Amino acid sequence: GAVVSQHPSWVICKSGTSVKIECRSLDFQATTMFWYRQFPKQSLMLMATSNEGSKATYEQGVEKDKFLINHASLTLSTLTVTSAHPEDSSFYICSARRDSTNYGYTFGSGTRLTVV
Amino acid sequence: KQEVTQIPAALSVPEGENLVLNCSFTDSAIYNLQWFRQDPGKGLTSLLLIQSSQREQTSGRLNASLDKSSGRSTLYIAASQPGDSATYLCAVNVSWGSRLTFGEGTQLTVNP
Repeated sequence: GAVVSQHPSWVICKSGTSVKIECRSLDFQATTMFWYRQFPKQSLMLMATSNEGSKATYEQGVEKDKFLINHASLTLSTLTVTSAHPEDSSFYICSARRDSTNYGYTFGSGTRLTVV
Repeated sequence: KQEVTQIPAALSVPEGENLVLNCSFTDSAIYNLQWFRQDPGKGLTSLLLIQSSQREQTSGRLNASLDKSSGRSTLYIAASQPGDSATYLCAVNVSWGSRLTFGEGTQLTVNP
């Protein structure tokens, strides 16, 4: 149990276009989901905390108008990178927390975004 | 501000060796600690979760210990195999459902 599906696994887009990444909890409900960014050879950097039915909470330095997060249901959160530029190229990973105190965090398989 | 440190940054061992990965955190007021594995270009796979009230957790060849008062955790891998080669990350949070703070990871290579 506790499976998080992230789609797409990789995407290449042109500079100036927008890309949407989906994160789904397949077998549990997740009131809260997290979006991370990871640069090569580095650990995960939290971008924002996504809460179902309310606005996301962004970490300092993360542009909320560029990285749009929508958490419209208890099983789906989306991250849209708007007007993507080459510097947005990175590995994006989502995480979901099962609504119970006995479980940890489950991560998606990640999305490799390349902006050309 | 919570800071998590993992030592060593990289480790290379021959197959069959037992090994220990270390994780330390600056603020002992944690809710739980979780060990993850990450393969290149992949997401994170949860290995072990230790609640703050627990001292250790075991799963197969893996054993994780937690000494909350000293701000330390270790991940013990017995009889290492080439398939164990990956980056191992530890992470802590301070309350239920709060953000995880990650260490930089230990890149493990097990040589056949």
